[in-house]
Amino acid sequence: EPEVTQTPSHQVTQMGQEVILRCVPISNHLYFYWYRQILGQKVEFLVSFYNNEISEKSEIFDDQFSVERPDGSNFTLKIRSTKLEDSAMYFCASSGFGLAGGEQFFGPGTRLTVL
Amino acid sequence: TQLLEQSPQFLSIQEGENLTVYCNSSSVFSSLQWYRQEPGEGPVLLVTVVTGGEVKKLKRLTFQFGDARKDSSLHITAAQPGDTGLYLCAGGGSGGGADGLTFGKGTHLIIQP
Repeated sequence: EPEVTQTPSHQVTQMGQEVILRCVPISNHLYFYWYRQILGQKVEFLVSFYNNEISEKSEIFDDQFSVERPDGSNFTLKIRSTKLEDSAMYFCASSGFGLAGGEQFFGPGTRLTVL
Repeated sequence: TQLLEQSPQFLSIQEGENLTVYCNSSSVFSSLQWYRQEPGEGPVLLVTVVTGGEVKKLKRLTFQFGDARKDSSLHITAAQPGDTGLYLCAGGGSGGGADGLTFGKGTHLIIQP
């Protein structure tokens, strides 16, 4: 069964450093998303991406964040200068269509720890 | 801002009992998705409901979308220890694009043998 994959599973970084989180969405999906979940809190939407551009972003997704689809398979989230409060699980998701929200399938997540 | 409230937050019952958990909002959603999440893992999609009043069944799990598409419920019949987990509801936006989902905080379900 097709699934979303994410690498790395764990990332530890120093405050102020840049990190890139990687995702491989389900191969025939068209819409890609990033979410985050701070420990003990709910899953929060960051950004959606369609047709090689950002479709929607939340207030959390400020200038420190960027997304890219560098090739036909990978989808990345970059945090330019990490802060302590960026420590969270980051989930990538993809869906095959956008109407009515679509069915979004999530990856296993990357646990980011900022020291 | 759209919010989804899930209740109860925690539920612990004995194996074999029935239970219902709720997902409520003052906002209308174009779709409502239910996920199950294990600690340290990503949410796993259980079902999507899109039509007001829609009922879907997944073995012993029954999902219903409210007529006004503002609320949903998950009913489990004859709960088993394997049903233990965090159940999340998530609402889809107005549609027509790559809408981000709005998640509830979840219901932590424990089924005791």
